[in-house]
Amino acid sequence: AQRVTQPEKLLSVFKGAPVELKCNYSYSGSPELFWYVQYSRQRLQLLLRHISRESIKGFTADLNKGETSFHLKKPFAQEEDSAMYYCALSPYSGNTPLVFGKGTRLSVIA
Amino acid sequence: NAGVTQTPKFQVLKTGQSMTLQCAQDMNHEYMSWYRQDPGMGLRLIHYSVGAGITDQGEVPNGYNVSRSTTEDFPLRLLSAAPSQTSVYFCASWRRYNSPLHFGNGTRLTVT
Repeated sequence: AQRVTQPEKLLSVFKGAPVELKCNYSYSGSPELFWYVQYSRQRLQLLLRHISRESIKGFTADLNKGETSFHLKKPFAQEEDSAMYYCALSPYSGNTPLVFGKGTRLSVIA
Repeated sequence: NAGVTQTPKFQVLKTGQSMTLQCAQDMNHEYMSWYRQDPGMGLRLIHYSVGAGITDQGEVPNGYNVSRSTTEDFPLRLLSAAPSQTSVYFCASWRRYNSPLHFGNGTRLTVT
């Protein structure tokens, strides 16, 4: 069964410090992985997906198949990065929707 | 484009009442889904649809019904509301099986 684990419920960092939000997945095939962000009381928005290999708002994420991880990183945190972050997995085949982790709340302290 | 539109934004129900949460998308997406968001639980899939006339259950389907008579609309019905259904509900649509989801703004439901 597909499963996404985000081990930290809350991560607090100081402004300017590096950020790493952890995501591990369980899936036997080759998954498509995503990071979504939800700012206070807003809709979830796609932040990035591993297949595009983009850097959005300074965030990057690398798929590590050996460690089954897709950690989200940013070298220098900004106050506006404070939000809820969800890692999600889509099976490479099939019609089922994304499977989400439980989310990590990032709080950037000025 | 409006994207995914959910109504209402807020709703308060008494235990036992019924209601329908509306969801509409204008992107001609075949796939649509409903999630509920609860503190510490993340997003949990309630029901989803892979096309008009086709629906399937997700992780937490009990107490909810769905139908998909058109590509655009995917309403979620609560037959007899319970306090455990107090949550924020998100509707989402996507183009194909590994495409990103587009979310609505959510409906905040309180059942007293």
